[in-house]
Amino acid sequence: AAGVIQSPRHLIKEKRETATLKCYPIPRHDTVYWYQQGPGQDPQFLISFYEKMQSDKGSIPDRFSAQQFSDYHSELNMSSLELGDSALYFCASSGYRDRARGAFFGQGTRLTVV
Amino acid sequence: DQQVKQNSPSLSVQEGRISILNCDYTNSMFDYFLWYKKYPAEGPTFLISISSIKDKNEDGRFTVFLNKSAKHLSLHIVPSQPGDSAVYFCAASLGYSNSGYALNFGKGTSLLVTP
Repeated sequence: AAGVIQSPRHLIKEKRETATLKCYPIPRHDTVYWYQQGPGQDPQFLISFYEKMQSDKGSIPDRFSAQQFSDYHSELNMSSLELGDSALYFCASSGYRDRARGAFFGQGTRLTVV
Repeated sequence: DQQVKQNSPSLSVQEGRISILNCDYTNSMFDYFLWYKKYPAEGPTFLISISSIKDKNEDGRFTVFLNKSAKHLSLHIVPSQPGDSAVYFCAASLGYSNSGYALNFGKGTSLLVTP
């Protein structure tokens, strides 16, 4: 079965640079979430989209933005990168009414800022 | 402010015995609780969930118990197998949302099942 696809899997950037992470949700899933997991931390909710509209916002810094496109894929844009942005970034998708299963997660993008 | 808490960062259990992972929450508006399993270098994988209208849900070797009055849930794995060794995250979502159900995660418990 198709899963959530994230690219790239690994990314190394320098401070103050920009990074773009991509997410391709499971087909027919209408909700996409972005989470950030720092070392030894729990995943922190950043932002979500429902039917291509931003639906909920968590602890996303102003330097970050995201959007969902007409084909339902989503991109997380990160500017003015800081060392503290180094983390695992997960994308997850779900069917809006399928709450019992929460969301399906991708394998994550490991961002390292040097 | 951590609304979902897993106070045991690690747990070691012998193969064949019961593993009990605990989770506490503070927000009484949470109405769905989930457990995720995570291996290194992989995303969290859904394991089992429970609605706040229930106090128990069972799926094979995995059972989740919910005590709403105590704002506490637990995951029981019986019998434990070495392949269960992973980090287990407790998560919860709010009962009201007009746009999706973001998950609030605990910090995880690392389970090690020894042969």
